[in-house]
Amino acid sequence: AAGVIQSPRHLIKEKRETATLKCYPIPRHDTVYWYQQGPGQDPQFLISFYEKMQSDKGSIPDRFSAQQFSDYHSELNMSSLELGDSALYFCASSLKVRTSGRAVHNEQFFGPGTRLTVL
Amino acid sequence: AQTVTQSQPEMSVQEAETVTLSCTYDTSENNYYLFWYKQPPSRQMILVIRQEAYKQQNATENRFSVNFQKAAKSFSLKISDSQLGDTAMYFCAFISGGGADGLTFGKGTHLIIQP
Repeated sequence: AAGVIQSPRHLIKEKRETATLKCYPIPRHDTVYWYQQGPGQDPQFLISFYEKMQSDKGSIPDRFSAQQFSDYHSELNMSSLELGDSALYFCASSLKVRTSGRAVHNEQFFGPGTRLTVL
Repeated sequence: AQTVTQSQPEMSVQEAETVTLSCTYDTSENNYYLFWYKQPPSRQMILVIRQEAYKQQNATENRFSVNFQKAAKSFSLKISDSQLGDTAMYFCAFISGGGADGLTFGKGTHLIIQP
């Protein structure tokens, strides 16, 4: 079965540089999520998109932005990189079902992650 | 805001034993979902089990089962007949049924299965 694809898998940048991470969700999934996991930490939710519109926002820094394109792939853009941005960045996707106005949260399928190192 | 607490940073058991990982959460909502995710050394996040708060029956998936106590806001994971491949970080996670998308994770429990 197709899984979530993330590219690149590893990325090394210098401070103050810009990075772009890409995510290709599972076909027919309508929701994409981005998470950041620092060393020894739990994943922190950054932002999500449902049907190409921003759906929810977590602890995403103002230096970061994201979007979802017409083919449902998503990109996380990170500018003015700092040492503290070094982390594993996960993309996840799901098929969100809405029943009587209530969201039914099916499994979020995670990609393998992009390991970003800022030097 | 919801919080998820895992009070066991690390646990170690012998292969074939049964182990229980604890998780408590705090929320004022009545409609929500709870998950256990496994993160092996590869760092891949893998769903182990999912529980819907409005379902009283505890979820089970083969050797994995949960003890969901809604009133106590407790959601523990029991692993039966533990295997070496169960060695991983285990994260308990919460998501609101009210429209918010992001999972809120606990700090994780590092489970080590000894041969």
